Formats: sequence, C-alpha cells, structure tokens
Amino acid sequence: DIQMTQSPSSLSASVGDRVTITCRASQSISSYLNWYQEKPGKAPNLLIYGASSLQSGVPSRFSGSGSGTDFTLTISSLKPEDSASYFCQQSYSTPWTFGQGTKVEIK
Amino acid sequence: QVQLQESGPGLVKPSETLSLTCTVSGGSVSSGSHYWSWIRQPPGKGLEWIGYIYYSGSTNYNPSLKSRVTISVDTSKDQFSLKLRSVTAADTAVFYCARIAWAAAAGSGYYYYMDVWGKGITVTVSS
Repeated sequence: DIQMTQSPSSLSASVGDRVTITCRASQSISSYLNWYQEKPGKAPNLLIYGASSLQSGVPSRFSGSGSGTDFTLTISSLKPEDSASYFCQQSYSTPWTFGQGTKVEIK
Repeated sequence: QVQLQESGPGLVKPSETLSLTCTVSGGSVSSGSHYWSWIRQPPGKGLEWIGYIYYSGSTNYNPSLKSRVTISVDTSKDQFSLKLRSVTAADTAVFYCARIAWAAAAGSGYYYYMDVWGKGITVTVSS
C-alpha cells in the first residue's frame, strides 16, 4: 500500500495568514492526489483533485501543487471558517490511502 | 444537489455482521457517471478506504478487509450497502459513504476523487 504522510499534524494561524500543509507519498503517484476538508459533524468536502484542480464551488484561496511524491495545500489568506481538519488521499492505485490529517486552528 | 445519508445500527455485537445503507437523494446510483464508496475512521485514527461499487455491481475492495466485506447496490431504491462480517472492537469507527467522480488526467488515465460525502455514522462494536 502507498503510505501518505502529512505535516504538520496541527497548526495554529491568524486570520489572513498564508497556510501550507504538506503531503508526502511513499512512492510516486504522479498527480493522483486529492485534498479534503473536514469539520466536526459535517460531511467531508472535496477541495482539490488531480493535485491542483480546484473543485467547483471551492474558494480560490485554496490551491494545490506538486507531483510525484511531494504535494502541498495552500490557503492563501486564512479565514475563520477555514478552521477544520484537512487530509490528502491518493488515487494512483488501490487500496486508496489517506494522510493522517492536519488540524488547522485559528489564533 | 446530490446528498448521501448513512443509516444502520449504532451498536453491533462482536462476531456479528455490521450492516449499513447509504441512500442517495437528488441523484441516481444508476447514472453510470459515478462509483459509490465506503470509508471509515476509527477513533483517533486516519481514514481507511473500504471499497467501491459501480451500478452494474462490479466492486473493488481494500485487500485488508476483502475477506469480510460485501458492498452491494439497489438501483430501485437508489441505495448502496455495506456488510462487514465477524466484527471486533477494532471495527468501531465512523463510517462514511461517498460518491466517486473522475476527470481525465493529463496524458492518460483518470483522476478519481470523492466529491460528495455523507455526514457519517458512528458504529460501536461492543457486547
């Protein structure tokens, strides 16, 4: 199975800050990488697919980059409603696997 | 707008079978444009993909669970279901159902991604 490692596991940032979350795959997965946002009691929300394609309806402050083994999710200007957990997922090969998640808190 | 809703018992006894259903509203499991998936998250742990099904009945399971899992689809009810046999406390988790979409990848292949999720249902395995 492909192992997905996210960092950091949690972070605290201020409104307006630029936030970057990293996801590393244990082998090359080309651009087969998705990012999701999860809030307590709510359905997870797809943010980015194919490493850098913004899902329809997702604010443009979210962006994704990377290919091969190293990927990043960037929030260009953090808003209070971005307080959530974020996790990556590879769809390069089954079994699909997820990162452990990054919890983003607002200072 | 498509919505997914998980349903089923919140408590299952060890060695029994966990059975969950996902009801699709605002759309159809027979669309042919999507796969339908189950994912779980044990307390304090990361997400684990369980498997997916196409409306035709073709499936793909996580090898770690394959011997105990069956995913089925009922097109007449716009539902798909999960059965996990011989459960233990380690199967305690929040279970999510999700819709899988795909987009053409640069060069060749397709990007698969879960674009609609249910809110999840907590299932505890305990006597």
